[in-house]
Amino acid sequence: GQQVMQIPQYQHVQEGEDFTTYCNSSTTLSNIQWYKQRPGGHPVFLIQLVKSGEVKKQKRLTFQFGEAKKNSSLHITATQTTDVGTYFCAGRKEYGNKLVFGAGTILRVKS
Amino acid sequence: DVKVTQSSRYLVKRTGEKVFLECVQDMDHENMFWYRQDPGLGLRLIYFSYDVKMKEKGDIPEGYSVSREKKERFSLILESASTNQTSMYLCASTSGQRPAPAETQYFGPGTRLLVL
Repeated sequence: GQQVMQIPQYQHVQEGEDFTTYCNSSTTLSNIQWYKQRPGGHPVFLIQLVKSGEVKKQKRLTFQFGEAKKNSSLHITATQTTDVGTYFCAGRKEYGNKLVFGAGTILRVKS
Repeated sequence: DVKVTQSSRYLVKRTGEKVFLECVQDMDHENMFWYRQDPGLGLRLIYFSYDVKMKEKGDIPEGYSVSREKKERFSLILESASTNQTSMYLCASTSGQRPAPAETQYFGPGTRLLVL
């Protein structure tokens, strides 16, 4: 079945450092979504990417969708303690009807 | 704002018990989903439903069933709970309609189930 691999599983950074999480799919995706789950909370939608090579920004967060539509990344510039949580990517296979989630990257920020 | 609610935040059950997890959404969404979340495995889809009385198996349906008698309510049933079903269960809904991107998932707060 469709696999969405996400790395790293865990990252601990000093406040002010950058952070990146990567997602890779074994098959071409029609779109990819990113979610954030705060500790003790539920996943909350951040953004959706649809086009090949698409780049979107939300303040300190930069999201990219690869040219082949098989990989994606989320980059946070100058992390803050409010960035703590688990970041999930979720991809939809072309012509598919299900969203497949990556395992998530847990981000911890030391102040 | 979309609101997805789940009947319990925490639940403790015994092996062999029948367990009902309820999910209700208030935005007239057509699509509803049940996931389980386990450390290192992310969210895995158990069942989903695109319409009343309609259901489709997700990636890990074994040991579970679902019911969608009304549009706003989607129930997950553990016919005979087992210890390996101890997990966090998340319900989600999507409308497929604008203004949100199609199929943005709105999640409930989750039910943390412990099976002893």
